[in-house]
Amino acid sequence: ELKVEQNPLFLSMQEGKNYTIYCNYSTTSDRLYWYRQDPGKSLESLFVLLSNGAVKQEGRLMASLDTKARLSTLHITAAVHDLSATYFCAVDSSLISNFGNEKLTFGTGTRLTIIP
Amino acid sequence: GAGVSQSPRYKVAKRGQDVALRCDPISGHVSLFWYQQALGQGPEFLTYFQNEAQLDKSGLPSDRFFAERPEGSVSTLKIQRTQQEDSAVYLCASSLLTGELFFGEGSRLTVL
Repeated sequence: ELKVEQNPLFLSMQEGKNYTIYCNYSTTSDRLYWYRQDPGKSLESLFVLLSNGAVKQEGRLMASLDTKARLSTLHITAAVHDLSATYFCAVDSSLISNFGNEKLTFGTGTRLTIIP
Repeated sequence: GAGVSQSPRYKVAKRGQDVALRCDPISGHVSLFWYQQALGQGPEFLTYFQNEAQLDKSGLPSDRFFAERPEGSVSTLKIQRTQQEDSAVYLCASSLLTGELFFGEGSRLTVL
């Protein structure tokens, strides 16, 4: 059974600081997703990482994937208040290589609070 | 519509009642997924469709849960004889075979 662990579960940080959220998973997969969720809202797709060594950046967020270590990181640079949210990583456990069959196993999320 | 639409947004049911939750995917999206999100947890996979075919229902927690997508577009998740442990947010997502899933805002079910 695929297990996805995120740490930390809670993170409180000051504006302007840098930090990293870690996502470890237990079985082989080449597809990893990062989502953002605001309270009472749905999941917003941030990054889709599809191969070992993949790195993607959008604004102050950068995600990377190491499939050999079964580890992904979400790095936050110079945090600002509007990045406060819960961040989930999710791993595709589907054994089918084609898209459209994604069966995502989510971590429990990292609740990020940016303090002004 | 521009995004995945779900209804109702909120549903309160008495234990033992049947409920039906609707999902309108993004137009043209082939794949449709249902997830269940308990309070404070990450979403958990329930089932998915490609067009009208239900290809995986391994995540449905019991035979009280049933999903359909008869014409390959709108999907309905039905829960029979609801129990308190069914209380959760039910999320629908669709995709266009690009590897990216788009989620709706969910239907929050509370069973009293």
